[in-house]
Amino acid sequence: RKEVEQDPGPFNVPEGATVAFNCTYSNSASQSFFWYRQDCRKEPKLLMSVYSSGNEDGRFTAQLNRASQYISLLIRDSKLSDSATYLCVVTRNDYKLSFGAGTTVTVRA
Amino acid sequence: DAGVTQSPTHLIKTRGQQVTLRCSPKSGHDTVSWYQQALGQGPQFIFQYYEEEERQRGNFPDRFSGHQFPNYSSELNVNALLLGDSALYLCASSLAVGPEETQYFGPGTRLLVL
Repeated sequence: RKEVEQDPGPFNVPEGATVAFNCTYSNSASQSFFWYRQDCRKEPKLLMSVYSSGNEDGRFTAQLNRASQYISLLIRDSKLSDSATYLCVVTRNDYKLSFGAGTTVTVRA
Repeated sequence: DAGVTQSPTHLIKTRGQQVTLRCSPKSGHDTVSWYQQALGQGPQFIFQYYEEEERQRGNFPDRFSGHQFPNYSSELNVNALLLGDSALYLCASSLAVGPEETQYFGPGTRLLVL
């Protein structure tokens, strides 16, 4: 079983729509959680950290459910510029980032 | 403030050859991690260097080795290249404060093995 699993999508949504997707992780000892964004043929960039109480950053909301071992990302009022691959990342008490394979989101005009 | 830089941007090698990739961390960062990203996959952790030592290693064979220099820059070496080594190689830098520290990625080196 992979350490981090994501629905690959693609999620095709119109501008202004809300899109949400999850990621599951297998190791209950995982301690830190992140969403990274990766544009086509570019490097991953940190979108937001995910905290136990859930957190928002503008139109983006992240949730963590430790009991069920999943993380979610919700994007409200989607923009064309939100089109990207969203990578779920977890770490344990070490230094490596464990990435999912990514969820592709395409926002259409 | 320069971000993470990597060289070269693209590289073509043949099976059995050796390759060296280079990374300069973001200004002020002292820790460098290397990742391999195959097409359609998420990045996979290769190893991390701190204080010129390999601090942690992922599930990669000994053909993958690295080095960190006193100025914190780093090299990734891959020997006896296989077709399956074709991938985007990403370098990430961070501060060695703790695992929760944000890692900043460079643009990567695209390696094609023929």
